[in-house]
Amino acid sequence: EDKVVQSPLSLVVHEGDTVTLNCSYEVTNFRSLLWYKQEKKAPTFLFMLTSSGIEKKSGRLSSILDKKELFSILNITATQTGDSAIYLCAVGVNNNAGNMLTFGGGTRLMVKP
Amino acid sequence: ETGVTQTPRHLVMGMTNKKSLKCEQHLGHNAMYWYKQSAKKPLELMFVYNFKEQTENNSVPSRFSPECPNSSHLFLHLHTLQPEDSALYLCASSQRGLAGGPGELFFGEGSRLTVL
Repeated sequence: EDKVVQSPLSLVVHEGDTVTLNCSYEVTNFRSLLWYKQEKKAPTFLFMLTSSGIEKKSGRLSSILDKKELFSILNITATQTGDSAIYLCAVGVNNNAGNMLTFGGGTRLMVKP
Repeated sequence: ETGVTQTPRHLVMGMTNKKSLKCEQHLGHNAMYWYKQSAKKPLELMFVYNFKEQTENNSVPSRFSPECPNSSHLFLHLHTLQPEDSALYLCASSQRGLAGGPGELFFGEGSRLTVL
């Protein structure tokens, strides 16, 4: 059974701190790993990673994938209160049904002023 | 506006009611999904449609019945639900990759369902 585990479950930091969110996975037919941010309702896409060791960066957010050790990290530097959200990691696999994304349980981040 | 719209945003229903959730995507995608998000649980995939054909039914009880009349519209018909079915139901769409891999998912805002 495909499995995606995120840690920590929740995190409280102060503005300006740097945080690292973790995602480990055990899946068959790995295709990609995706990060989403969910503030209120709809998760919004952050990154898609398919190759090991290549950092993807968007402003204060960055992410990297290690396909040998089967994990990814999401870094947020100089955190702001607007970064408060649930961060979801999902692993994409390709099977007979086609597109499949398995989600982790999420990390709830709270950034205090 | 995410390009995926869901209605209704909130729904309260009794266990004997029949209702439907609707999803429409304006992104030209060819795959659509229903996910269930319950408190303290990971997003659970319910159904997948590729090119209007259902390709995945993730052991979902028959009281949930999906319908995909075309590649832009997806419905979830609900009947005789249980209180434990109360959750946020998220619709998503994607463009299936050339090699068949999953692409980026675009989510709707969700329909918050409460079953009394």
